[in-house]
Amino acid sequence: TQLLEQSPQFLSIQEGENLTVYCNSSSVFSSLQWYRQEPGEGPVLLVTVVTGGEVKKLKRLTFQFGDARKDSSLHITAAQPGDTGLYLCAFRENYGQNFVFGPGTRLSVLP
Amino acid sequence: EPEVTQTPSHQVTQMGQEVILRCVPISNHLYFYWYRQILGQKVEFLVSFYNNEISEKSEIFDDQFSVERPDGSNFTLKIRSTKLEDSAMYFCASTSGRLLGRSYEQYFGPGTRLTVT
Repeated sequence: TQLLEQSPQFLSIQEGENLTVYCNSSSVFSSLQWYRQEPGEGPVLLVTVVTGGEVKKLKRLTFQFGDARKDSSLHITAAQPGDTGLYLCAFRENYGQNFVFGPGTRLSVLP
Repeated sequence: EPEVTQTPSHQVTQMGQEVILRCVPISNHLYFYWYRQILGQKVEFLVSFYNNEISEKSEIFDDQFSVERPDGSNFTLKIRSTKLEDSAMYFCASTSGRLLGRSYEQYFGPGTRLTVT
């Protein structure tokens, strides 16, 4: 079974700082998704990356898919308290209908 | 903007009781899912449903679980005899089924917090 690892597990930073979180696996993904989940709510899809080396930007968030499609990173520039949440990566298993989620990085941005 | 809705938001039940969690997926979506998230743990896939039948299920989705689409809008998850370890957030999700760049865009509901006492 293909598993996802995410690091760091927890991250607490001050408003205005930059940060990067990572999602890794030993296997190749056909595509990878990043979600953000706030307490008591469902995950919200942020982006899907498909092509090795692909970079996608969503305002202050930059997503990169590794060249070998085994890893991905999420970089946040000038973090704001509203960025606080659990950041999850997920992939679609075996080209099927189910998605496998990583354990997440819990980000806390302090004002 | 269309969204997935779930009811109830919180359900408390006694061990051994049956519970039904309800979801209304986005209206033109074709694939429906249930996930669970035990407090502090990762989101785990339970089951996917398409064309009125289960398309995939995980090891968690044993004989105590069942899903149904009783009408054109609702999608339900039934747990026949709840156990303490069933306590979790249960999320419903749906997709249009259209591949967007080799993947599907899932939309999640807000979840039902199930507490089994």
